Order: sequence, then structure tokens, then C-alpha cells
Amino acid sequence: NAGVTQTPKFRILKIGQSMTLQCTQDMNHNYMYWYRQDPGMGLKLIYYSVGAGITDKGEVPNGYNVSRSTTEDFPLRLELAAPSQTSVYFCASTTGSTNEKLFFGSGTQLSVL
Amino acid sequence: AQSVTQLDSHVSVSEGTPVLLRCNYSSSYSPSLFWYVQHPNKGLQLLLKYTSAATLVKGINGFEAEFKKSETSFHLTKPSAHMSDAAEYFCVVSDTGSYIPTFGRGTSLIVHP
Repeated sequence: NAGVTQTPKFRILKIGQSMTLQCTQDMNHNYMYWYRQDPGMGLKLIYYSVGAGITDKGEVPNGYNVSRSTTEDFPLRLELAAPSQTSVYFCASTTGSTNEKLFFGSGTQLSVL
Repeated sequence: AQSVTQLDSHVSVSEGTPVLLRCNYSSSYSPSLFWYVQHPNKGLQLLLKYTSAATLVKGINGFEAEFKKSETSFHLTKPSAHMSDAAEYFCVVSDTGSYIPTFGRGTSLIVHP
């Protein structure tokens, strides 16, 4: 199994550009998450999904959008990129049981200049 | 509501000496608690988890953590630090019935030769 696959690994955007971060999992997990990681701040939840067709905002959703058309895919869309969105982004998935671990992708390092 | 506080942003130890990374949590119900480790430029890996079974939990690489309900703590320990333990460590709490894990801000473990 590949687990959770994120692409791209690195990206540089100019202010105002848009892009989509891809996330795919092959474990048939219902629950998927997007986090951003900033130094000294831990992981902040951007959006999450509890199943295909269902998404909801996390702690820091402004400037982002998501969709969940299939169980496997959970892309994160950045519209009108801003320097404040410079961060490392992680996608994660789990079965949904609260005592089960999160499976993480390898991360996307995004710089907005 | 759930929350987690990692009491130290940085911990510095010498190789071969004990490690203590402190975590306090707040939870409305019976929580599941996790420790994840992130090595430089890597994704997050589960070290160990507590799910209301034994209060002393053993994880990978010689780490263990003790759940103390009276102190609302879940501190991570290791008897003897190794250079390869240098990494960022995250304490995570998840209430029973909640599918949104909450991350602490992280503790950077520095290991000196």
C-alpha cells in the first residue's frame, strides 16, 4: 500500500496565483484532514472530511477550499495566494475511530513570494 | 472541549541521559492520547498511543508515556537518549466521539554528544 500520497513536495507561488495540493489515500479511510505547520505553532487544521461529499472547516480555513468527490482524494485549493500561506502542508487520513492513529503524507513545502 | 499543552518548546539533553517531554491535556470525556515524532524534513510518525487500557504505554524506539488522570498529564519519557532521537515531538488529544484530533505546539528535542 502506498498510504497517503501528497503532491507536489515543493512549490513556489507568486502572490495572487492559485494552485491545488493533491492528496490521495489507498486505505479506504473515511476521515481525511489538511493541516498546515508553522514553526513553533504545531499543526493547525484547515479543513477536514468525514466521507465523500462531506467537508467542513477547521481552525484556519480562510484562503483555502477543498472538495471530496471520492473516498480516495481530498485536494486542497489555494486561491489568490498570499505570503501568509507560506507553510508546510500535511494531508492525513484515518478510519474515524478516535483511538486510531493518523496516517500522514510526506508534506508539501509552499512558499508564496 | 479538548486541548493540549506541551510545557516545553525545547528540551536539551546529553546522549545517554534520560528524556522527559511534558504534556498536559484537557478533555470533556475519556480521551485518546498520542505522541507523534517528526524528524527533520519528514512526515509525522506515531510513537505511541493511550486508549484507556494500561496507563503506562510503551512505544517504539524505547519511548514510553504514563497517563495520569488526576494530573491530566501524558508525559513522554525515555531512559537513555540517542542522537537519532533529535526531532520534534507532538502530543495529541482526541475526545471519545470526536474525529478532530488536537495537536500541541510541539517540543523540539536536542541531543548533545
